[in-house]
Amino acid sequence: EDQVTQSPEALRLQEGESSSLNCSYTVSGLRGLFWYRQDPGKGPEFLFTLYSAGEEKEKERLKATLTKKESFLHITAPKPEDSATYLCARRANTGFQKLVFGTGTRLLVSP
Amino acid sequence: EAGVTQSPTHLIKTRGQQATLRCSPISGHTSVYWYQQALGLGLQFLLWYDEGEERNRGNFPPRFSGRQFPNYSSELNVNALELEDSALYLCASSWPGQGTSVYGYTFGSGTRLTVV
Repeated sequence: EDQVTQSPEALRLQEGESSSLNCSYTVSGLRGLFWYRQDPGKGPEFLFTLYSAGEEKEKERLKATLTKKESFLHITAPKPEDSATYLCARRANTGFQKLVFGTGTRLLVSP
Repeated sequence: EAGVTQSPTHLIKTRGQQATLRCSPISGHTSVYWYQQALGLGLQFLLWYDEGEERNRGNFPPRFSGRQFPNYSSELNVNALELEDSALYLCASSWPGQGTSVYGYTFGSGTRLTVV
């Protein structure tokens, strides 16, 4: 069964305090691991796609990495505007057009 | 370029009633996806439409249904509303055959359905 588990559920950081969010997934047949950002009352906004172990993608203060069984979203020197819920998803093994999401990590960055 | 648009933004219904939610995809996108995001739960896949046909369905009862129109816009209908149907309903769209796309798909801002 396709599963995605994210940790921690919530994370509170001070501005400038770097940290990482974790996403672990069932291993078989990964066809893409996605990271999205979701602000309150809004739809998820695409951040990154990773396909193979060792792959890394960067955007401003965010860097996503992928191993054979988990992905990390590293946040370097975060700012208050980085506060959001970060969602991880993988393509389903059957009916691969659908994404299987984790429950997300709520990030709060205080000034 | 206009994004995925959903209407209404908020909808309040009474238990037992029917709700209709609408979605207009990005121009050129033929696939439309519906997801439910209930409080405390992750996004749950509801339905996928492509070229007017239902292609895949999540683990939801038959009272969740929908359709896709010739202009690729879509409608989600929820019959016999229950209190636990209260959630944010998100629509997303993608290019055809985007199974290997690097972009996943693009979401709208959702319809907040409240059942009282």
